[in-house]
Amino acid sequence: DQQVKQNSPSLSVQEGRISILNCDYTNSMFDYFLWYKKYPAEGPTFLISISSIKDKNEDGRFTVFLNKSAKHLSLHIVPSQPGDSAVYFCAAGGLYNNNDMRFGAGTRLTVKP
Amino acid sequence: NAGVTQTPKFRILKIGQSMTLQCTQDMNHNYMYWYRQDPGMGLKLIYYSVGAGITDKGEVPNGYNVSRSTTEDFPLRLELAAPSQTSVYFCASTRHRQETQYFGPGTRLLVL
Repeated sequence: DQQVKQNSPSLSVQEGRISILNCDYTNSMFDYFLWYKKYPAEGPTFLISISSIKDKNEDGRFTVFLNKSAKHLSLHIVPSQPGDSAVYFCAAGGLYNNNDMRFGAGTRLTVKP
Repeated sequence: NAGVTQTPKFRILKIGQSMTLQCTQDMNHNYMYWYRQDPGMGLKLIYYSVGAGITDKGEVPNGYNVSRSTTEDFPLRLELAAPSQTSVYFCASTRHRQETQYFGPGTRLLVL
């Protein structure tokens, strides 16, 4: 069962514009959400997270929005840079339990110069 | 700090062969994890460990075994390789349960 879904396998944006990556989840018990970034031949690296008590978390060019009623989160990258080109994974789980994180299939972002 | 290291980077196995995927972390993290990622799918947890001597099953443990004799090492054992185990395997670690995970670079395994 896919409890975390990223419905867009790929996204292409122009440098300087906004990138919006989307993620939907089905389990209402999830209270901690993360985005990881992955370059080819490397492991995923943590990008940004949000707990269910917030609806927005910002870190530089990266902002994550959480809509609990819609069970939806999104990652905004503004402005997008060519170095942001990577696969982005959404993950969800319990804030105090890393042992049952569920990951989406990833969205490949390409930022064109 | 090397972080999380995995060996080998790539391996081809014949059906029925066995092998051990190595994972080592030098951050003194208590929690360690093994995931597999199949094409077009998210990472799925195979096994995890909350400390030396303690392991537990994740979402997809069948066909695998693990051990955790030291804090640093968390090897994943495939006893009878099957084509369904063709995947990319990632090891990860974290200091505390609620902290984000640090991932290794992955091991690509092909079972023919």
